[in-house]
Amino acid sequence: RKEVEQDPGPFNVPEGATVAFNCTYSNSASQSFFWYRQDCRKEPKLLMSVYSSGNEDGRFTAQLNRASQYISLLIRDSKLSDSATYLCVVDNQGGKLIFGQGTELSVKP
Amino acid sequence: NAGVTQTPKFQVLKTGQSMTLQCAQDMNHEYMSWYRQDPGMGLRLIHYSVGAGITDQGEVPNGYNVSRSTTEDFPLRLLSAAPSQTSVYFCASSSFGLPIAFFGQGTRLTVV
Repeated sequence: RKEVEQDPGPFNVPEGATVAFNCTYSNSASQSFFWYRQDCRKEPKLLMSVYSSGNEDGRFTAQLNRASQYISLLIRDSKLSDSATYLCVVDNQGGKLIFGQGTELSVKP
Repeated sequence: NAGVTQTPKFQVLKTGQSMTLQCAQDMNHEYMSWYRQDPGMGLRLIHYSVGAGITDQGEVPNGYNVSRSTTEDFPLRLLSAAPSQTSVYFCASSSFGLPIAFFGQGTRLTVV
């Protein structure tokens, strides 16, 4: 079983839609959690950190459920520019980041 | 700010050749790592380092060698290139105090 698992998609949604991505992790000792965004043929970049209390950044909301070892990302009012691959990332030991395989999102006009 | 500088951006090798992918960061980050990315596989950790003189294996270390003689540099060596090493390689660095990874622009390697 992979340490970090995501639904690879692709998710094809119309502009304005709300879309949710899920991620599970296997190491209960994992310390920090993140969502990264990767555009085609580019390097991954941090989208947002994920906190136990849940956190929001504009149209993006991230949630963490430590008991279920589950992380989610919600995107509201999808834009064409949101089309990318979204990577769930877990920090297991002070910087050793483990990546999920990514979920591809395609937002259509 | 240079951030993480990774070279070369593109490389074609013949089977059996060796080469070194260079990675340098100017943020004084303790942690550096190398990943490879293949279609449908996400990023897989090859080797990582928690500081100068300290390296360790990741998920897919076979066929690769690393060293960390300085805080800034973390080169990845392909000892004898194989077609299975055709991939996109990313170098990343982060700080223990704030484990957010900064990536280089990637190296697209083709082994023929």
